[in-house]
Amino acid sequence: RKEVEQDPGPFNVPEGATVAFNCTYSNSASQSFFWYRQDCRKEPKLLMSVYSSGNEDGRFTAQLNRASQYISLLIRDSKLSDSATYLCVVNRGDDMRFGAGTRLTVKP
Amino acid sequence: DAGVIQSPRHEVTEMGQEVTLRCKPISGHDYLFWYRQTMMRGLELLIYFNNNVPIDDSGMPEDRFSAKMPNASFSTLKIQPSEPRDSAVYFCASSNRDYGGTQYFGPGTRLLVL
Repeated sequence: RKEVEQDPGPFNVPEGATVAFNCTYSNSASQSFFWYRQDCRKEPKLLMSVYSSGNEDGRFTAQLNRASQYISLLIRDSKLSDSATYLCVVNRGDDMRFGAGTRLTVKP
Repeated sequence: DAGVIQSPRHEVTEMGQEVTLRCKPISGHDYLFWYRQTMMRGLELLIYFNNNVPIDDSGMPEDRFSAKMPNASFSTLKIQPSEPRDSAVYFCASSNRDYGGTQYFGPGTRLLVL
């Protein structure tokens, strides 16, 4: 079993839609959590950290459920520019483990 | 800051040749990571360094792969001899624990072994 698991998608949604991605992790000692975004043929870039109480950054909302070892990302009012692969990331202390990513395509 | 710098950006080589990938981390970062990304396996951690010392190399696929970090501003990943299955994008990333450990990635090296 992979340490970080995500639905690979693809998710194809129309502009303005709300879309949610889920991620589960297996190591209960994981300390911090992130969502990264990766555009086609580019490097991964930090989208947002995920805090225990949940956090929001504009149209993006991240949630963490430590008991269920589950992380989510919600994108509201999706834009064409949101099309990318979203990577769930778990920090185990010194190093980070990346999920395989969920591909999102937002269509006009 | 210029961010993480990697070279070359693209490399095409023939099977059996030696390949050397280079990375300059962000100044002041004390962690450096090497990753490999393929469509089939996603992003895999190969090795990481803390203060120039290799900490975990369990992700290095086999003895053909080696990595060094002779100083805080430079690291290399070497493949010798290269094989077609090594074709992938190799990313270098750096972080600073004092800033929450967020990793910043370089643009990657696209390696094609023929």
